[in-house]
Amino acid sequence: KQEVTQIPAALSVPEGENLVLNCSFTDSAIYNLQWFRQDPGKGLTSLLLIQSSQREQTSGRLNASLDKSSGRSTLYIAASQPGDSATYLCAYAGAGSYQLTFGKGTKLSVIP
Amino acid sequence: DVKVTQSSRYLVKRTGEKVFLECVQDMDHENMFWYRQDPGLGLRLIYFSYDVKMKEKGDIPEGYSVSREKKERFSLILESASTNQTSMYLCASSRSGSYNEQFFGPGTRLTVL
Repeated sequence: KQEVTQIPAALSVPEGENLVLNCSFTDSAIYNLQWFRQDPGKGLTSLLLIQSSQREQTSGRLNASLDKSSGRSTLYIAASQPGDSATYLCAYAGAGSYQLTFGKGTKLSVIP
Repeated sequence: DVKVTQSSRYLVKRTGEKVFLECVQDMDHENMFWYRQDPGLGLRLIYFSYDVKMKEKGDIPEGYSVSREKKERFSLILESASTNQTSMYLCASSRSGSYNEQFFGPGTRLTVL
């Protein structure tokens, strides 16, 4: 069974720091990778979608990269703010599949 | 913006009850999905639908069924609720095709007593 690993499981940083969240996957035939944010007790908010033909996507202070050959994606958050505190999940769609395979997430706390 | 709504944010039911969870999307998406999310296990796909009246099993379909009579609405049914079905249930939708961005609803926290 293909897996998605997100390390670390939790991260605490001071406000203003730049940070990187990591996502690794075992499936070499992914078609896209999506990053989500989840606030406690809430649904998932889509942040960025990277197609397999792309290397990175940017939205505001967020930048996501994808390296299929190494099975890794990173989410870079610039100038972190307390409002960025949430759990961040990555998920990929495999070859010909409707299904997303999710990591267990990284819980981010940004300390004022 | 895509909007996915779920009928209840919180629901408490008794063991053995029949439970309906409703999901509605307003962006004319072909694909709809039901996931459950549990601590330590992450999100797992229960069922998905790629067209009206079409459904496919996900990773954990046991104890669940689904209904999609209209394009915008996808229902998850627990025929006889059990305590191990206490969970957060999340609905999602996406455009047709396998590789499109999924958009999620706010979730329903179901407790089965």
